[in-house]
Amino acid sequence: QVQLQESGPVLVKPSGTLSLTCTVSGGSINLHFWSWVRQSPGKGLEWIGYIQHTGTSSYNPSLKSRVRMSIDTSKKQFSLNLSSVTAADTAVYYCASVPPEMAYFDYWGQGSLVTVSS
Amino acid sequence: DIQMTQSPSSLSASVGDRVTITCQASQDIITSVNWYQQKPGKAPELLIYDASNLETGFPSRFSGGGYGTHFTLTITNVQPEDIGTYFCQQYGSLPLTFGGGTKVEI
Repeated sequence: QVQLQESGPVLVKPSGTLSLTCTVSGGSINLHFWSWVRQSPGKGLEWIGYIQHTGTSSYNPSLKSRVRMSIDTSKKQFSLNLSSVTAADTAVYYCASVPPEMAYFDYWGQGSLVTVSS
Repeated sequence: DIQMTQSPSSLSASVGDRVTITCQASQDIITSVNWYQQKPGKAPELLIYDASNLETGFPSRFSGGGYGTHFTLTITNVQPEDIGTYFCQQYGSLPLTFGGGTKVEI
């Protein structure tokens, strides 16, 4: 069974960069698509994007200009960078897996609340 | 983007009731809908995939249906442990999008 764990700073200053890492255990990082989803009171659940073990990625157009994802298969980790953050980016950030040939999130991390504030 | 309009936003039910949650897609997505259950303070959990397939581990009182633009999640014989928020999610096209959620109280 796949387990996911987010890590990273919980407080980011406005105009700064939000950086989170998700560590994968209990499964192969080469099989799934690896996603980030965020949840804020004002906007509900929002898909940020996904990345594959090859490095191929796809981002939500609403965030595309500010998002970059990366993956380190040797460490079984994938990461999210979101630049030029504002208070509107305050949310719980989840990493999640999407199994091959499917389009649902089958495993989720516990979530990391990131607050954007000076 | 495909918009998923979910209703109602909240509902209160009694144990044993049958409740139905609806998601309306802004365009035809055939059966490209998943449903998730989220308990307070927890991550969402996959409940139904491909509109009508129940995920392993969930009781058969949960069922999903629909086609095209109209989708439903039904809970028959609601139990106290079913409290939480339910979300639909479409994968007809990128970006993946979610409904606004339905909070179920008992």
